[in-house]
Amino acid sequence: AAGVIQSPRHLIKEKRETATLKCYPIPRHDTVYWYQQGPGQDPQFLISFYEKMQSDKGSIPDRFSAQQFSDYHSELNMSSLELGDSALYFCASSLRTSRADTQYFGPGTRLTVL
Amino acid sequence: LAKTTQPISMDSYEGQEVNITCSHNNIATNDYITWYQQFPSQGPRFIIQGYKTKVTNEVASLFIPADRKSSTLSLPRVSLSDTAVYYCLVGGPNTGGFKTIFGAGTRLFVKA
Repeated sequence: AAGVIQSPRHLIKEKRETATLKCYPIPRHDTVYWYQQGPGQDPQFLISFYEKMQSDKGSIPDRFSAQQFSDYHSELNMSSLELGDSALYFCASSLRTSRADTQYFGPGTRLTVL
Repeated sequence: LAKTTQPISMDSYEGQEVNITCSHNNIATNDYITWYQQFPSQGPRFIIQGYKTKVTNEVASLFIPADRKSSTLSLPRVSLSDTAVYYCLVGGPNTGGFKTIFGAGTRLFVKA
C-alpha cells in the first residue's frame, strides 16, 4: 500500500539559510499534518491542512510557513534557520471522517542546521 | 483539547502482558482515544483507536471504562521489538479541530 512520502530524507543547512520540505500524502487523503521532533523530545504539532486550506496551527514559528497544493502535496518552508531548528520533521496524512483522524506518518526529514 | 497523562516509562520482560494506562479526565463527549507507537527516528504508527468499552485488533487491546476518564492499552506477550514510545491521544472532529497534541509518551523497555 502507498505510504506518505517525504523529501528530502536528510537536509543539511547553514544558519540563516532557507529550507523546503515536501510531503506527498497517501492518495485520496485530504488532511496533512506537520510535526517537529527534537532529539529526545515528543512530536510537536506545527500545522495542518484540510482540502488545501489551513485547518489548525500549533507551535509553528513565524519563520516557517506551509501550504497544501492542488494535488494535495504539502510543503513546509523554513527561513532564517537557527541551530534549534535541527530536528526530525514528520508529515502525516489522514482521511477526515466523523471519528478522530487516524494519521499515517511519513519517514521524516532529518534537518541539521550548522 | 483533553490533556493526557501517562507513565513516563515502564519495564517488562519478553512474553509478558504490558498494560499502559492513560488518564484523560476532561475528555469530551465526541472525543476518541487513539494510541500510537514510535520507534527511534521513525514516524509514529497507529496502533488502535476506541470510543468506549473494549476494542481489540491483531496487535493490541484498548480498554475504556464507562466514565471514559482513562484508558488502558494492553500489549499481549511483548517481545524485544515492542520496545518503543507509546502515545495516548484524545480528540475528535468537534474538539479543537484536528490540532493533534502528543503529550509525553510512555517509554517501554522490553528485556530478554
